[in-house]
Amino acid sequence: EPEVTQTPSHQVTQMGQEVILRCVPISNHLYFYWYRQILGQKVEFLVSFYNNEISEKSEIFDDQFSVERPDGSNFTLKIRSTKLEDSAMYFCASIRGLGLETQYFGPGTRLLVL
Amino acid sequence: AQTVTQSQPEMSVQEAETVTLSCTYDTSESDYYLFWYKQPPSRQMILVIRQEAYKQQNATENRFSVNFQKAAKSFSLKISDSQLGDAAMYFCAYNGNQFYFGTGTSLTVIP
Repeated sequence: EPEVTQTPSHQVTQMGQEVILRCVPISNHLYFYWYRQILGQKVEFLVSFYNNEISEKSEIFDDQFSVERPDGSNFTLKIRSTKLEDSAMYFCASIRGLGLETQYFGPGTRLLVL
Repeated sequence: AQTVTQSQPEMSVQEAETVTLSCTYDTSESDYYLFWYKQPPSRQMILVIRQEAYKQQNATENRFSVNFQKAAKSFSLKISDSQLGDAAMYFCAYNGNQFYFGTGTSLTVIP
């Protein structure tokens, strides 16, 4: 069964450094999402992406964040200058089409900012 | 704004028994989906079950079933014959135009 994959599974970085989190959505899916989950807290929406542009973003998704689909398969989340509070689990998700579809989540990337 | 509330931060169940996790939500939309996701210690998000709002029949997936009360905006998850592998964090989620998650219920299964 096709699945969403994410790399790396864990990343440790120094405060102020740039990180890029990578996701490979399911191949025939058209809508892509990033979520964040700080340890012990709920899953929070960051951004949705369709047709090579952001369709929605939350207030968490400020100028430090950017997303990109650099080729036909990868979907990346970049954090330009990481802060301690960016430490969290980051989930990528995708759906086949717009509407009330089930989101399929990747396994997550655990980011630790020191 | 849509909100999803899980009022039980922690629940426990004896192995082989049945447990019900509660979820309520607030929305003004008429078409939406509701989901239960399971998050084991590995912290993956695994879809357990989903319910379309327009369907009156409650969804069922093997030992997992829901009690969907649209008028009451309630969407509880029942786990029958609980197994040790069911121990996890369970998140209720709502999808209208965007996904909203509850704060989660941590389920412990006692051998």
